[in-house]
Amino acid sequence: DADVTQTPRNRITKTGKRIMLECSQTKGHDRMYWYRQDPGLGLRLIYYSFDVKDINKGEISDGYSVSRQAQAKFSLSLESAIPNQTALYFCATSDPQGSAYNEQFFGPGTRLTVL
Amino acid sequence: DQQVKQNSPSLSVQEGRISILNCDYTNSMFDYFLWYKKYPAEGPTFLISISSIKDKNEDGRFTVFLNKSAKHLSLHIVPSQPGDSAVYFCAARDRGSTLGRLYFGRGTQLTVWP
Repeated sequence: DADVTQTPRNRITKTGKRIMLECSQTKGHDRMYWYRQDPGLGLRLIYYSFDVKDINKGEISDGYSVSRQAQAKFSLSLESAIPNQTALYFCATSDPQGSAYNEQFFGPGTRLTVL
Repeated sequence: DQQVKQNSPSLSVQEGRISILNCDYTNSMFDYFLWYKKYPAEGPTFLISISSIKDKNEDGRFTVFLNKSAKHLSLHIVPSQPGDSAVYFCAARDRGSTLGRLYFGRGTQLTVWP
């Protein structure tokens, strides 16, 4: 079974719609992250959370919000989707106590298309 | 402004030969460097790392070299295999950040042909 799962894996939506992407993990890690990948731009950090009570903006948080419902769950919402939010979205987890270099473990990704 | 740069978007290598993927960085507070590999329709997976106090780390066919004075690291794959064809991301950890966040490069698509 996958340690980090994302739902849905693919989603097509229309401009202006509210979308939620969900991430669950069974690794028991406190830290969770949302990244976005665009062709030629690599992985850019949207939001991250170091525990249930901690939420931090990344480099491209505008237009997004997150919710850390539990240690194992971290959701990303697009309040009003726009076409330039079409991208591949990845959730990741890490456990700095278990890794000196903060190795992150990624989910399989959600491909989001906004028409 | 990108703090981790992978200036080659693609690299094509014949099977059996060496693949060298390069990465440059600008932040002197980076203390760990990681390489991730990504196949299509999958998330990135950790490949190998190196601490800033070392200049080389080896794991099987994969070796990472770090040149701190040049702020440059490279990943060597020897011998290259077709299964190595993937996108490779360089990442760095900022010890100056209380959050230990990782900064990623834009990736290099490696193609290994028979």
